[in-house]
Amino acid sequence: GNSVTQMEGPVTLSEEAFLTINCTYTATGYPSLFWYVQYPGEGLQLLLKATKADDKGSNKGFEATYRKETTSFHLEKGSVQVSDSAVYFCALSIDTSGGSYIPTFGRGTSLIVHP
Amino acid sequence: DAGVTQSPTHLIKTRGQQVTLRCSPKSGHDTVSWYQQALGQGPQFIFQYYEEEERQRGNFPDRFSGHQFPNYSSELNVNALLLGDSALYLCASSPGWGEDYGYTFGSGTRLTVV
Repeated sequence: GNSVTQMEGPVTLSEEAFLTINCTYTATGYPSLFWYVQYPGEGLQLLLKATKADDKGSNKGFEATYRKETTSFHLEKGSVQVSDSAVYFCALSIDTSGGSYIPTFGRGTSLIVHP
Repeated sequence: DAGVTQSPTHLIKTRGQQVTLRCSPKSGHDTVSWYQQALGQGPQFIFQYYEEEERQRGNFPDRFSGHQFPNYSSELNVNALLLGDSALYLCASSPGWGEDYGYTFGSGTRLTVV
């Protein structure tokens, strides 16, 4: 079946440090890949997406590249801020049947950024 | 433009009771999905509704049922509540069927079963 594996957290960084959160996937076929962010007490927000191999998704300084050869979609940011503290979810979606695209989520990685 | 709205935000129920959660999709969206998110876990897919029909279902028992209304809003019903049903229930909407449009999530309903 389809699955997503994320690095375990929490990831603790100082402000302005470089961020990498690893994500790998298993899928039958060619999925779209996503990163969602969840701030405390809120729902999930789409952060970025990539729909085919070698695509790079980017938003708010975050970026991730769809690597088909390594089945990975690692999230990176060059300089994190305290406001980036949240839980980050990697997800994939693929046509399950008849046009239904259901995202499958990883377990989430908590990011804590200290001033 | 309102996003996805869910009600109530918090709910406490007793084991064996029944609960109904409600969701209004983002304006222009007609597909609604429900997810269960246990503490410290990623969201798990429950089911998806389009054109008032359940189109896909995840690995959840029949105690979990739903409905979609002509205005695209949706309800999630859970019967015979168990302690293990305690979780954040998320509703997500998307603007159509047959394409990977991406999902907009609500802030969720926190259900506690005691």
